[in-house]
Amino acid sequence: QVQLVESGGGLVKPGGSLRLSCAASGFTFSDYYMSWIRQAPGKGLEWVSYISSSSSYINYADSVKGRFTISRDNAKNSLYLQMNSLRAEDTAVYFCGRRMMTTVSAVDYWGQGTLVTVSS
Amino acid sequence: QSALTQPASVSGSPGQSIAISCTGTSSDIGGYNYVSWYQHHPGKAPKFMIYDVSNRPSGVSNRFSGSKSGNTASLTISGLQAEDEADYYCSSYTSSSTYVFGTGTKVTVL
Repeated sequence: QVQLVESGGGLVKPGGSLRLSCAASGFTFSDYYMSWIRQAPGKGLEWVSYISSSSSYINYADSVKGRFTISRDNAKNSLYLQMNSLRAEDTAVYFCGRRMMTTVSAVDYWGQGTLVTVSS
Repeated sequence: QSALTQPASVSGSPGQSIAISCTGTSSDIGGYNYVSWYQHHPGKAPKFMIYDVSNRPSGVSNRFSGSKSGNTASLTISGLQAEDEADYYCSSYTSSSTYVFGTGTKVTVL
């Protein structure tokens, strides 16, 4: 079955960096667009970034553009999010998600999330 | 890109029907039939319930249905059950080739 497992979260100081990983299994990872979505404490979901199956198409939310970099390694079935210049408002649970193959509209599988806390 | 607007909370008794609205703009909901809905129990992975405005993935109860009119999409839950109590989020593809989520709606079963 499809499984997405995030890792790499933790406590980091403002201005610091962190790299999140998402290990995928149970499907042909290289066939799918992948996304990162986050949820700040007590807040709603916020889309962060997506990457196409071959890494040709990448897009970011304005709130993270220039600070975050999404990447993937299809040989390792892994998705990454490099987060630099972190701010307190980046504190959130970060989910990785698989976009449906047949439409752009939905993320059909989600991981359980990894918590990133930005605080001094 | 501003978040799509949802009511903060909606409640209903078991067996009743409720509807959750999701209002955007012509740059997102109004411009595309790429609206999806998610059910989220805190602490768990969100579950997708509807895609492309009104399509239900396999395994999702037919008590859940989606629709759209202009810049507003809606999720209707009929025959409300205790297990439906959760947070619900809409999402839309946008003219910037990005995505925007709704503000979220807490559904309470009375």
